[in-house]
Amino acid sequence: DAGVIQSPRHEVTEMGQEVTLRCKPISGHNSLFWYRQTMMRGLELLIYFNNNVPIDDSGMPEDRFSAKMPNASFSTLKIQPSEPRDSAVYFCASSLGAGFLSYEQYFGPGTRLTVT
Amino acid sequence: AQRVTQPEKLLSVFKGAPVELKCNYSYSGSPELFWYVQYSRQRLQLLLRHISRESIKGFTADLNKGETSFHLKKPFAQEEDSAMYYCALSGRSGGGADGLTFGKGTHLIIQP
Repeated sequence: DAGVIQSPRHEVTEMGQEVTLRCKPISGHNSLFWYRQTMMRGLELLIYFNNNVPIDDSGMPEDRFSAKMPNASFSTLKIQPSEPRDSAVYFCASSLGAGFLSYEQYFGPGTRLTVT
Repeated sequence: AQRVTQPEKLLSVFKGAPVELKCNYSYSGSPELFWYVQYSRQRLQLLLRHISRESIKGFTADLNKGETSFHLKKPFAQEEDSAMYYCALSGRSGGGADGLTFGKGTHLIIQP
């Protein structure tokens, strides 16, 4: 198993452009999480899904950010329009989503976003 | 609101010396605590969780509810322990996964 897959690994874009980050969770996992990592704020939870349904999006910074999970094997995080302060590493993670062993989250390699 | 504090950004110890990475949390309910680790050029991964009371790679961590702490310890550090360590909290118990609140991490360097 390749684990959680994220694309692209690096993204450089200009302010005002739309950015779409993609994530493929581990097959069979029911929960998916988006995190953002910056030097100032560390790792922050943005949003998470259980069984493709958004459960908590209170960490989404503002309306410019949106996330979808159209099916169990794919999720997107979109920023429109992007701003320089969105520059960060964005991680996707997935977990089994139920029971004791659900709490281990498996992380993807991250997408490093730079907005100029 | 829940919060995780790791007071040390960087901790450097010599090989064979004891290691203690500090973690304090703030949460009004009964939390689940974890330690995640990121080795160089690898993904963030779970090291251990308090509920299973396990020892992984010689590391242990005890949840102290009175002091709201979950410090990570190892009696004899090894060079391969060099990594970023993150303490994390999940605020909901029971079935179903929940998002994690992370500390800012401690960079552990083991000197030969």
